[in-house]
Amino acid sequence: QEKVQQSPESLIVPEGAMSSLNCTFSNSASQSIWWYQQHPGKGPEALISIFSNGNKKEGRLTVYLNRASLHVSLHIRDSQPSDSAVYLCAVRTGGYKVVFGSGTRLLVSP
Amino acid sequence: EAAVTQSPRSKVAVTGGKVTLSCHQTNNHDYMYWYRQDTGHGLRLIHYSYVADSTEKGDIPDGYKASRPSQENFSLILELASLSQTAVYFCASSVQGYEQYFGPGTRLTVL
Repeated sequence: QEKVQQSPESLIVPEGAMSSLNCTFSNSASQSIWWYQQHPGKGPEALISIFSNGNKKEGRLTVYLNRASLHVSLHIRDSQPSDSAVYLCAVRTGGYKVVFGSGTRLLVSP
Repeated sequence: EAAVTQSPRSKVAVTGGKVTLSCHQTNNHDYMYWYRQDTGHGLRLIHYSYVADSTEKGDIPDGYKASRPSQENFSLILELASLSQTAVYFCASSVQGYEQYFGPGTRLTVL
């Protein structure tokens, strides 16, 4: 059974700063990794995914994947108050199966 | 136009009662899922389906049934609701292997 751990549980950063979120998983054969954003009272929304070792950049978001260390990170450049949300790491292990972490709560203070 | 809708958005049920949560998607996706979300546990998969008239058990299926009468509709049924089933329930749809599209959730309180 894939295990997905996220850290930190919560994070407070000032507006304009870089936000860095971490996720570790247990199976190096895991396929794609997704990051989801969830605002209060809403369903999660997919932000960005990565499959291959290395990094992927989309706008203010950058994701780094290191399969050898079973680690993936999400970095949000120039964080805005509207980025305040819970961020979920999701690891696809094969076929339909996706395992979610328990999330990091990000608060960007104006 | 929301592509995954859920009803009701909130529900209060009595212990031992029957609860049906409904989900409708207009994404034309084959896969549909039911998750529950509890504080500190993230999202946990209850049931999923990849074709109409067929459902599969997820990681925590005990106490839940599912029904997929058509590609667009997927229901979660609690035959005998219990206190431990108080949670927020999310429905999602996807193409296999790609991102999941979630509904707005149903907050269920069992008293």
